[in-house]
This record gives sequence, C-alpha cells and structure tokens, in this order.
Amino acid sequence: EPEVTQTPSHQVTQMGQEVILRCVPISNHLYFYWYRQILGQKVEFLVSFYNNEISEKSEIFDDQFSVERPDGSNFTLKIRSTKLEDSAMYFCASSEAGLAGGEQYFGPGTRLTVT
Amino acid sequence: GENVEQHPSTLSVQEGDSAVIKCTYSDSASNYFPWYKQELGKGPQLIIDIRSNVGEKKDQRIAVTLNKTAKHFSLHITETQPEDSAVYFCAAPIKAAGNKLTFGGGTRVLVKP
Repeated sequence: EPEVTQTPSHQVTQMGQEVILRCVPISNHLYFYWYRQILGQKVEFLVSFYNNEISEKSEIFDDQFSVERPDGSNFTLKIRSTKLEDSAMYFCASSEAGLAGGEQYFGPGTRLTVT
Repeated sequence: GENVEQHPSTLSVQEGDSAVIKCTYSDSASNYFPWYKQELGKGPQLIIDIRSNVGEKKDQRIAVTLNKTAKHFSLHITETQPEDSAVYFCAAPIKAAGNKLTFGGGTRVLVKP
C-alpha cells in the first residue's frame, strides 16, 4: 500500500540553524501539507501546497518557514533560523484531491529538537 | 472563533466495552469529517471519515455519526480491544479559516484487558 515517507525521523539542531525536513508524498497525489504537533498537544496545520505554490498557510507559518517541491517526488519544509519553540513533530501529508474531496494521508513524522 | 472541540480528553474502558468520542465544530459550512488514530511515535492514521451528505458510516467495529444541525460528530468503537489503545483525533475543515483541516485536542483511549 502506498504511503507517505519522511526523513529524517529525528533531527537535532542548534538554535539559529537552518533545517530542511523532507517528505515523499504518495505518487499520484497532487496536494501536499505540513502539520506540526508539539509534544502532548494537538496537530496544527502549517501550510498546504498545490500546483507548485502555497494555497494556504497558518499564522504559525511565518517568514522563517518555506516549502518547496524541488523535483517530481520530494516535498520539503525549511526552517531558516530555528527557535527553541520550533521543537515539535512535523508531519507531512498528501491527498489526491482538495480538502473537500480527498482524504489526507500522513507520514510518520520528523521529530525536531532545537537546543 | 473557528474551532473543533473534542471530548473527553481521556477515556478508559474495559476490553469488550464500547468507546464514544464526541467533537463539535463551529463552521456550519464544514462538509468533511475525518477521524485519525495516532499510536505512540507514529503519524496520524486515517481510520474513518464522513461527508455531510450522510448521517452515519460504519466500518467493522468503527462507526461515525454526524449531526449537522447540532454541528457535532462522534466516533463509536464497539467491542474494544487492547490494540485500540491510542490517541484519537477528530478534524474538520473550517472554511472561514481558509478550508484547512483543523484538529480537535485528541482523546487518549486506554483499553484495559
């Protein structure tokens, strides 16, 4: 069964450093998402991406964040200058259709620890 | 404001009993309601969803009911088993907030053998 994959599973970085989290969505999906989950809290939407551009983003997704689809299979989230409060699980998701029509499937997540 | 509220936050049941988790949403235009199961250290897994044109949907031991008038939907797990122990999240698109998927706070379910 096709699934969303994410690398790395755990990333430790120092405050102020840049990190890139990588995702490979399900191959025939067209919509891609990033979510964040701080330990013990709910899943929070960060950004959605379709047709090579951001379609929606949340207040969390400020100028320090960016997303890219560098090739036909990868979808990345970059945090330019990490802060302590960026420590969280980051989940990538993909769907075949837009929100009203397509189920979102999540990857296993990347645990980001900022020290 | 735009929100999805989920109750209870924790639920402990005996193996074989039923578990019910309830969610309310604020945007009457919401039309898609998924439920996710998250096991420790893993990503959310879609287990069932319902669209606004139906009131109930079943898949083996799992069912979801939707009351659009009252703006709430519920997850029902019957004949619970220890492997049902996990955190369950409801979600809904809150169109006023841009049609993103907004999650409830989660319910930690513990099924005691």
